[in-house]
Amino acid sequence: DQQVKQNSPSLSVQEGRISILNCDYTNSMFDYFLWYKKYPAEGPTFLISISSIKDKNEDGRFTVFLNKSAKHLSLHIVPSQPGDSAVYFCAASEAAGNKLTFGGGTRVLVKP
Amino acid sequence: DSGVTQTPKHLITATGQRVTLRCSPRSGDLSVYWYQQSLDQGLQFLIQYYNGEERAKGNILERFSAQQFPDLHSELNLSSLELGDSALYFCASSVHNEQFFGPGTRLTVL
Repeated sequence: DQQVKQNSPSLSVQEGRISILNCDYTNSMFDYFLWYKKYPAEGPTFLISISSIKDKNEDGRFTVFLNKSAKHLSLHIVPSQPGDSAVYFCAASEAAGNKLTFGGGTRVLVKP
Repeated sequence: DSGVTQTPKHLITATGQRVTLRCSPRSGDLSVYWYQQSLDQGLQFLIQYYNGEERAKGNILERFSAQQFPDLHSELNLSSLELGDSALYFCASSVHNEQFFGPGTRLTVL
């Protein structure tokens, strides 16, 4: 039972353009959402998060949008850079400090 | 560098053996989490400790156990190892909402 799904296993984008990563969830108890970036042979690196009381959070080139009624969130990266090439994971928790439930990841390739 | 350290980086062992994975959280973080990443299962939560006490358990096998010590470092013990236990094991720590992950231990069971 996958409670967090990332339906696009991969994404290819040109440098300077926007990358949009999507994530869907089924558990209505989730109220905190996070995005992580992962390079090979390294641990996930925290990027940005959003609480369920918000619908948007922005940090530099990264913006996360949350649509609670659709149980959908997305991560926008603008502009995309070659160093952004990595696997991106969406994660959710039922409360701050609780365990994270991860999506399967989306591999992003930014072409120069 | 997240500030979370894990040792060893790689571990190769045989079926039936027992291993211990070690994690040191970021300074000041009271919560430690263990996750397993295998090829077919993605990142799965195993167990959480908070200030020395077990706080939450995920799909952790009975052959696996963990503890958090007074200095807040944590150990994950895996026993009677099977081929299917081969995976990346990550430790994370947090003080508020965001969890910060260590570099992981790659376990290979032959």
